[in-house]
Amino acid sequence: GAVVSQHPSRVICKSGTSVKIECRSLDFQATTMFWYRQFPKQSLMLMATSNEGSKATYEQGVEKDKFLINHASLTLSTLTVTSAHPEDSSFYICSAQRGGRAETQYFGPGTRLLVL
Amino acid sequence: DQQVKQNSPSLSVQEGRISILNCDYTNSMFDYFLWYKKYPAEGPTFLISISSIKDKNEDGRFTVFLNKSAKHLSLHIVPSQPGDSAVYFCAASASDTGRRALTFGSGTRLQVQP
Repeated sequence: GAVVSQHPSRVICKSGTSVKIECRSLDFQATTMFWYRQFPKQSLMLMATSNEGSKATYEQGVEKDKFLINHASLTLSTLTVTSAHPEDSSFYICSAQRGGRAETQYFGPGTRLLVL
Repeated sequence: DQQVKQNSPSLSVQEGRISILNCDYTNSMFDYFLWYKKYPAEGPTFLISISSIKDKNEDGRFTVFLNKSAKHLSLHIVPSQPGDSAVYFCAASASDTGRRALTFGSGTRLQVQP
């Protein structure tokens, strides 16, 4: 299957700082990537759809100025959590779309963010 | 408002027996459903899917059933194996919007006892 990586896998930061999470499709090109967030014992919630070369589409209730998404190339999308606060602590997972079918969406291993 | 619900957070079955994982949805625009398996520290991996034009899809030990009138689907694993122990997520998408973004349930942790 296709491989999607995320970096870092875990990050601890102080409140008020910004954190960048990278999502890479290692063996295919992805014009579309998705960012999800998962709170403990809850479902993966879609935050935004990242399209290469254009602005991301954010889901209702997700602050675009807080969660900056950049999809500068066909293999890399980044999520920057700006001025992080403890309530931003969560598990962030990206996925990359390969092909047109829903099952060809491949997920990264996730990034655990802890904001102190 | 959860549009996809997995009401059983956990399930334990004996090796060799059947595992049945359930999922309910509320959005009638969903027309494609998927099951994912997730191990700790890994992303979800695709398991099996079903289109709303079908009521059953089978792949080896895995079968997904869809009851559109009840807005319910289930994943059957038979026979269950210890390696099936993982968290299983149900997901749905609405193709009419042209989006491939997925709406996930909260997951069911399956433990298969040897």
